[in-house]
Amino acid sequence: EAQVTQNPRYLITVTGKKLTVTCSQNMNHEYMSWYRQDPGLGLRQIYYSMNVEVTDKGDVPEGYKVSRKEKRNFPLILESPSPNQTSLYFCASSLLPSGYGYEQFFGPGTRLTVL
Amino acid sequence: AQKVTQAQTEISVVEKEDVTLDCVYETRDTTYYLFWYKQPPSGELVFLIRRNSFDEQNEISGRYSWNFQKSTSSFNFTITASQVVDSAVYFCALSESPDNHNDMRFGAGTRLTVKP
Repeated sequence: EAQVTQNPRYLITVTGKKLTVTCSQNMNHEYMSWYRQDPGLGLRQIYYSMNVEVTDKGDVPEGYKVSRKEKRNFPLILESPSPNQTSLYFCASSLLPSGYGYEQFFGPGTRLTVL
Repeated sequence: AQKVTQAQTEISVVEKEDVTLDCVYETRDTTYYLFWYKQPPSGELVFLIRRNSFDEQNEISGRYSWNFQKSTSSFNFTITASQVVDSAVYFCALSESPDNHNDMRFGAGTRLTVKP
């Protein structure tokens, strides 16, 4: 089954404790991205990757890191989480960027709470 | 800069009523794509439709229809004879030219509640 998987689905952590949210897709997609969803703000892009070893900042990259060492995986790293990073996070992938008309396939989401 | 406005934060209807979700966008590009996604209470994001800027034909898929009007920069979504299963948050999104890799810009979403 074609899908984007994320782990963990739920995470409660404390300020400053490094964490990684994994993302993997099995559709051989070139483009992957991370979004955060906050009430009243919709989804905002954090980072994206055009291909292996090619990553770039989205609209809200502060406090996050990513890496793309393999085509299928695109982990999101919070080196020192803070309470304002409490949010619902989505990983997404598509064959090419949506500017080419490709819809993005989203993972199930990770609900992160930083205390 | 891209901008997508979904002015209706929440809508509540009774089953079998028709409902229209509004989406207004801003872009300077002539080539762009518009999308609608559904987020049911379970939380996943489900793709509903894609429309490119050169295709202004309205689209109908079962009880769903979309009205794209470039003259008013709107891409509205209508659900006919709504059902309880239509209860969800609906997002409209815009993607500009392929040169802009900073991909989709989402509206804030409209929460639709359909009561039995």
